[in-house]
Amino acid sequence: AQTVTQSQPEMSVQEAETVTLSCTYDTSESDYYLFWYKQPPSRQMILVIRQEAYKQQNATENRFSVNFQKAAKSFSLKISDSQLGDAAMYFCAYRSSYNFNKFYFGSGTKLNVKP
Amino acid sequence: NAGVTQTPKFQVLKTGQSMTLQCAQDMNHEYMSWYRQDPGMGLRLIHYSVGAGITDQGEVPNGYNVSRSTTEDFPLRLLSAAPSQTSVYFCASKGPHSTDTQYFGPGTRLTVL
Repeated sequence: AQTVTQSQPEMSVQEAETVTLSCTYDTSESDYYLFWYKQPPSRQMILVIRQEAYKQQNATENRFSVNFQKAAKSFSLKISDSQLGDAAMYFCAYRSSYNFNKFYFGSGTKLNVKP
Repeated sequence: NAGVTQTPKFQVLKTGQSMTLQCAQDMNHEYMSWYRQDPGMGLRLIHYSVGAGITDQGEVPNGYNVSRSTTEDFPLRLLSAAPSQTSVYFCASKGPHSTDTQYFGPGTRLTVL
């Protein structure tokens, strides 16, 4: 089974600064998808960004971007110009291209944003 | 368009009791899944369905049953609740294409005493 590891249980960033959350994964598959989800205190899971493994270009969504290193099996999330509303748990997730239902999640990183 | 809805939001059970967590989606999605989220851990897949009448096990299926009689509904049944099933449960749905986004419900916090 695939495994997803987030080695930073908690991180803090100053408002307007940049922070990077780390994620590594283990798989023998060549085609897959990677995701970052945000979970605020409301518990709602919100998709932040997605990366297809066959795409070399790193995905970006406004202030959120990823650094996808396929050979290293690394998938980090960079949040630029951090805002108070970015404070939440962030989960990295892996999904096979062969089974659209099987998502594997990391244990999460709690992001604190200081004013 | 309500998306994915779950009921109840909170539930307390005694060991050995049974109950059903309800999940419904109004997006005509074929794929639906149930996850549990425990403290310090990410979401883990319990069961999933690729369409009405078709279900399969995920990572942690023991102690849970599911059925999918309609496209819209995907209930999760606990036949005999145990304290180890204390968790937050999320239902999710997704369209059939690999690029489709998975949408999550708001979750049910279940406590088994």
